[in-house]
Amino acid sequence: QLQLLESGPRLVKPSETLSLTCTVSGDSISNRAYYWAWIRQPPGKGLAWIGSVYHAGNTFYNPWLESRATISVDVSANQFSLRLKSVTAADTGFYYCARSTVTTTFDYWGQGSLVTVSS
Amino acid sequence: EILLTQSPATLSLSPGERATLSCRASQSVSSYLAWYQQKPGQAPRLLIYDASNRATGIPARFSGSGSGTDFTLTISSLEPEDSAVYYCQQRKTWPTFGQGTKVEIK
Repeated sequence: QLQLLESGPRLVKPSETLSLTCTVSGDSISNRAYYWAWIRQPPGKGLAWIGSVYHAGNTFYNPWLESRATISVDVSANQFSLRLKSVTAADTGFYYCARSTVTTTFDYWGQGSLVTVSS
Repeated sequence: EILLTQSPATLSLSPGERATLSCRASQSVSSYLAWYQQKPGQAPRLLIYDASNRATGIPARFSGSGSGTDFTLTISSLEPEDSAVYYCQQRKTWPTFGQGTKVEIK
């Protein structure tokens, strides 16, 4: 059974960098059929895709966040990570990691991690 | 950026009734549209992909239709556990989501 689990600091100061890691179990992150994605959701609002990474390191991003987001993969640890720099209160929300088919349909999701940006 | 507009914002129906949710795209997305269900405090769950294909383990009362710019998610006979917010998502270009339709069970 595939499971994804987000981890990282839940409180980040404005202007600093948000860092989250997703640990994958039940499947290899090197599975060629899938990409691995980050999606976020401000409290009480809708969903926004941040970006995706392939096991080989290929990445693609939401154009609105591309200048601040970096997604990387660690195949040996079966993990992938998100870094979002220069955060503001508008970056507060639930951050989900997810598995994506190569056609960007998100078929498995982590439980989500609430990250608050506040001083 | 392809914008997805969902309607209605809220749907309030009784168990056993039929629910019809709409998703309209700002330009054609062919059949590259998915539907997700999100219950309070939970992550979204994939229901339908490529407009009309049910994901693994999804009950047959959920069905999707449409192509181009107009799509529909139908729940043929509502169950109490179907109370949730439903989102559509396109993959014609970089992925975007609709703002959601909340389904309330009376």
